[in-house]
Amino acid sequence: EAGVAQSPRYKIIEKRQSVAFWCNPISGHATLYWYQQILGQGPKLLIQFQNNGVVDDSQLPKDRFSAERLKGVDSTLKIQPAKLEDSAVYLCASSFPQGLETYEQYFGPGTRLTVT
Amino acid sequence: EDQVTQSPEALRLQEGESSSLNCSYTVSGLRGLFWYRQDPGKGPEFLFTLYSAGEEKEKERLKATLTKKESFLHITAPKPEDSATYLCAVPRDDKIIFGKGTRLHILP
Repeated sequence: EAGVAQSPRYKIIEKRQSVAFWCNPISGHATLYWYQQILGQGPKLLIQFQNNGVVDDSQLPKDRFSAERLKGVDSTLKIQPAKLEDSAVYLCASSFPQGLETYEQYFGPGTRLTVT
Repeated sequence: EDQVTQSPEALRLQEGESSSLNCSYTVSGLRGLFWYRQDPGKGPEFLFTLYSAGEEKEKERLKATLTKKESFLHITAPKPEDSATYLCAVPRDDKIIFGKGTRLHILP
């Protein structure tokens, strides 16, 4: 079974520039999550999709971050404009929603973003 | 506010030296607790789900236990390949909240 794919793996940009991350979840997983993980911290949920609808985006800084999941499969997360404090690893995860098994999430390798 | 606290932040053990990691939580109506392992440069990897107090689960040298207030991840006779960050997480509404993790380093 192929895992969650993410690209790029690394990205370095200057502040005020824009950046986009791509995620392809495990086939058949209806739920997709984007997390931000700052060094030394646990992952923090940014946005959760169920198919192509948003379930939770309460912690997404909507003035600069946006995400979409067209056709309920792949997803992109965009930051525009980037700030220094956005430097982090951006993780995508997916799960098959079935009771508590919804929370058995499968993570991709992440994209390490450095904003200079 | 719901919180998940892990201790210690970091732990260095000699190969074969058993120990335990702690995860305490303040979430009302707990519906489960999850343990993940994260290697450097990788995303977290699911280890266990514990559903109710008193439950235990094992995988190789790891055993996870759950009480009404906390969970322990016991590691028995660890090997260097067990070195990683171990994260615990609890569900709240339709999402999960992660702790900061314990960085475990096993010295050969």
